[in-house]
Formats: sequence, C-alpha cells, structure tokens
Amino acid sequence: EIVLTQSPGTLSLSPGERATLSCRASQSVSSSYLAWYQQKPGQAPRLLIYGASSRATGIPDRFSGSGSGTDFTLTISRLEPEDFAVYYCQQYGSSAWTFGQGTKVEIK
Amino acid sequence: QVQLVQSGAEVKKPGASVKVSCKASGYTFTSYDINWVRQATGQGLEWMGWMNPNSGNTGYAQKFQGRVTMTRNTSISTAYMELSSLRSEDTAVYYCARLYHIVLSYYYYYYMDVWGKGTTVTVSS
Repeated sequence: EIVLTQSPGTLSLSPGERATLSCRASQSVSSSYLAWYQQKPGQAPRLLIYGASSRATGIPDRFSGSGSGTDFTLTISRLEPEDFAVYYCQQYGSSAWTFGQGTKVEIK
Repeated sequence: QVQLVQSGAEVKKPGASVKVSCKASGYTFTSYDINWVRQATGQGLEWMGWMNPNSGNTGYAQKFQGRVTMTRNTSISTAYMELSSLRSEDTAVYYCARLYHIVLSYYYYYYMDVWGKGTTVTVSS
C-alpha cells in the first residue's frame, strides 16, 4: 500500500496569506490519480484538484496543485475566511485508494 | 443536479451488521463506480472499497476483506455497503462517493467528484 504523508499537520495563518501544503508518497504515484480535497466540520469532503494540477469545476483560481512522482503540493495563494479547513491528498495505486492524514489550516 | 443521498443514522450492538444505502440521481448510475470511505470522529479518511454498478464487480481494502459487502440495485439507482461483525472501532461516518473519469490529452483521470452527506454508524453495547 502506498502511504501518503502530509505536512505540516497544522498550518496557522492569517486571511490573505499564502498556504503551502505538502503531500509526499512512499513510492511514485501516477499524477492521473492524485487529488486534493477540502473538508469542513460536519461536511463531506469536497474535490478541489484532480490530476495533481487541474482545478475541479467551480473551484477558485487561488487554489493550485503541482508536483509529480512522490512530491505534490497544494497552494492557496491568498487565504479567504472560508478556506480554513482540513485538506487531504489522495492517490490510487496497487489496487487501493489511500488518503494522507490531512493538514488543518487554522486561523492565526 | 448530480447527487448521492444516503440512508439515516444507525445504532448497532457489537457483533451485528449494518447496511447503508446510497441513492444516485442526476446521472446514469451504471456509468461510474461507487466508492465507500469512512471517517471516525476526529480522524482522517479511510477508503473501504469500490463497486461497479454496471457489472457488480467489487474491490475491497485489505483491512475490510471478509467483513464488507458492496452491492447495488440498478432499478432504483442505489448502492449498498454492508459491514458485519461490528466492533466499537467501526463507529464512524460512512460516505459514498462517485468515481468520475475523464480523458484529457490521451490520459485518463480518476477522482471522487460527488459525495453523499454521510451516514453515522454508532456501535455500542
């Protein structure tokens, strides 16, 4: 099973600041299967990025994804109040989907 | 609009089974796999398995092999996830999600684009 490790565990930032979230895989991952999700308390996950770098429908352009192989990044260029949430990366490999443990972006 | 509507909360005793439903609407049910993901309180997301509504084929995470069964009723566009031999550690919110796929520049992309709101399953004696 491919393990995804997200860092940092918690990111404390102010609105307007830039957020950089990391997702590292234990072995090389196909970008076709690398996605990022946002989850707010009491809600289901919401797709942000698929294919490592393509924004899902309706996702603002302040969200961007990059990376390949074992290292992937989600960047939020300027944090809006509604962006404070938990973010998960996800991949498919070896016949299984796996998620990272999540990064919480909290208000500083 | 495309949506997945899940059944209501369940309370079960240890050793029992639970069956959660996920009704699809707004798209052709048999065109996309349904995946199941669970989340214990305060914890991360855990993938449980997938089901192809067209063929009925399934694939389960190793952790749940032998305890989980995913089925469907195409006549009512509904997927089901049944988990048996419940224990307290199975207390969680269970989500169904559509696995969408597209082709861009000759590459296939797969992602879970639509999620149900979740079903809370509580296992307690």
